[in-house]
Amino acid sequence: GAGVSQSPSNKVTEKGKDVELRCDPISGHTALYWYRQRLGQGLEFLIYFQGNSAPDKSGLPSDRFSAERTGESVSTLTIQRTQQEDSAVYLCASSWRTISSYNEQFFGPGTRLTVL
Amino acid sequence: AQSVSQHNHHVILSEAASLELGCNYSYGGTVNLFWYVQYPGQHLQLLLKYFSGDPLVKGIKGFEAEFIKSKFSFNLRKPSVQWSDTAEYFCAGRSNTGKLIFGQGTTLQVKP
Repeated sequence: GAGVSQSPSNKVTEKGKDVELRCDPISGHTALYWYRQRLGQGLEFLIYFQGNSAPDKSGLPSDRFSAERTGESVSTLTIQRTQQEDSAVYLCASSWRTISSYNEQFFGPGTRLTVL
Repeated sequence: AQSVSQHNHHVILSEAASLELGCNYSYGGTVNLFWYVQYPGQHLQLLLKYFSGDPLVKGIKGFEAEFIKSKFSFNLRKPSVQWSDTAEYFCAGRSNTGKLIFGQGTTLQVKP
């Protein structure tokens, strides 16, 4: 079956430009997460969407980062005025979310962002 | 603050050697712990998870992990590694809000 997909797979941009990264979760998954992995570091949580609830934005590193999700489908992560320290692999994950418990998060292949 | 730490950043083993990767967490409340693996060029995928019950959990590909509450640990083990186990391994804990808190990762290199 279809897994989580992300596009583009690679993005090279110049410092100061804006970028948009896209995530298509597994159909029916109500929860969607964005993480980032900088070289040599672990994964950092960025933002979490759950249904129609207000997103948990506690991991966004600055106001240059924002994300949207349309209903329970596609999400876009936008980085404005990119900086070199934004270079990383951006991972998206989705999961079922039941009332009583959380479930396994399935990860996409990631978008490798390089800011020159 | 909730955190997860992995002790070993880079491990090199020969085939058939036994593996143990350390993971410690620091947060209270309900503990849900995971080990994810990322093979070269592939997605992160779940190896195993602990939610409750038997503290010894078995995952895919012969991996297992033991949740020891008194030590705040969730170490990953495999009795005999193969070259195909070469990958990066991440321990993670789930926060109350559902997001995963990851350790720094351990790169395992298995020499044939």
